[in-house]
Amino acid sequence: AQSVTQPDIHITVSEGASLELRCNYSYGATPYLFWYVQSPGQGLQLLLKYFSGDTLVQGIKGFEAEFKRSQSSFNLRKPSVHWSDAAEYFCAVLTGFQKLVFGTGTRLLVSP
Amino acid sequence: KAGVTQTPRYLIKTRGQQVTLSCSPISGHRSVSWYQQTPGQGLQFLFEYFSETQRNKGNFPGRFSGRQFSNSRSEMNVSTLELGDSALYLCASSLVLAEKDTQYFGPGTRLTVL
Repeated sequence: AQSVTQPDIHITVSEGASLELRCNYSYGATPYLFWYVQSPGQGLQLLLKYFSGDTLVQGIKGFEAEFKRSQSSFNLRKPSVHWSDAAEYFCAVLTGFQKLVFGTGTRLLVSP
Repeated sequence: KAGVTQTPRYLIKTRGQQVTLSCSPISGHRSVSWYQQTPGQGLQFLFEYFSETQRNKGNFPGRFSGRQFSNSRSEMNVSTLELGDSALYLCASSLVLAEKDTQYFGPGTRLTVL
């Protein structure tokens, strides 16, 4: 069955430091992968997506992610975190007919 | 272009009642998907509609239903509410030029069942 694993429930990063959020997926076919961000009380905002082609994808707000088929991973990175990046981050894989399967999310805390 | 809108934003109901939530997709988007978000179960897919037809359904009881209108607006209904139905209900729309496409989410409807 399709699944997404985000092994880190919480991560704390100092402002200005680099960030990497981990995501592993299980999907039989070519995966279509997404990262979304959710601020408290808000909906989900798309950060970036991978459909095919270049395995390093750029997104909004300075985020990027790298697709590694051999490791079944799609980790999210940012070189320098800002306090406004504090939020919950969700990795997802798209299955049939627009069904997204989400990971459990990683809550990012940014310390001054 | 306006984003996905959901109404109402907040709802309080009591057990046994029913509720209807509304979602207006981004203009031109023809697919609408619904998700339930709870602290315990996370984000779970409810169903997806395209051109007024339900194409996909998640693992939820029959108390959860939905429909889509000819203008692509969608509603979901939950009958005989239970305490466990308290959740954030998110709607997402997509263009669906091809089989798979990016989903854009609305702000959600926060349902509290007392």
